[in-house]
Amino acid sequence: KNQVEQSPQSLIILEGKNCTLQCNYTVSPFSNLRWYKQDTGRGPVSLTIMTFSENTKSNGRYTATLDADTKQSSLHITASQLSDSASYICVVSERGSTLGRLYFGRGTQLTVWP
Amino acid sequence: DAGVIQSPRHEVTEMGQEVTLRCKPISGHNSLFWYRQTMMRGLELLIYFNNNVPIDDSGMPEDRFSAKMPNASFSTLKIQPSEPRDSAVYFCASSFDSSSSYNEQFFGPGTRLTVL
Repeated sequence: KNQVEQSPQSLIILEGKNCTLQCNYTVSPFSNLRWYKQDTGRGPVSLTIMTFSENTKSNGRYTATLDADTKQSSLHITASQLSDSASYICVVSERGSTLGRLYFGRGTQLTVWP
Repeated sequence: DAGVIQSPRHEVTEMGQEVTLRCKPISGHNSLFWYRQTMMRGLELLIYFNNNVPIDDSGMPEDRFSAKMPNASFSTLKIQPSEPRDSAVYFCASSFDSSSSYNEQFFGPGTRLTVL
């Protein structure tokens, strides 16, 4: 069964600290993996997208990694800011169908304290 | 561009009433998606359209749910009759082309629906 599991479910860190969010998936065949950031009361916004051949991709203080062999991805946030407080959602796309069936993780709720 | 526009932002209704959610996609995008988000289940794809044609509605939970896209700039999601378990945030998203999942979907601000 194709699934996407994220951990931890929630995380609290102090401003300025680093953190890493995890995403494990069983989706096969794999097409791509995208990390979204969702601020409270807003729609998700894409941070990065990674295909099978990509191991690392950065977007400012956000760095995503992908290990397609172990089917794991991580999102590392460096020098966290209060504005990083949000839900981070991992979405994996299945290769083959017209759209590429999307599988959503339930997200990690990150809270950054001053 | 104003991005994806959804209305209303909040809707409170009583069980049994009809609810209509509206969405205006980003101009030039030919794919439109309706999602539902709850604490228990996270984000779920309900239905998506390509060039105004429904492609996959397998995520629509029941016959009480229906969606239309009469033209490239407008879509509706209707629930009739509504039930308390329909309470959720409903998102509309659009993308340039749904034939590739590599194309980013841009989400609207969502409609928070509460059915009493």
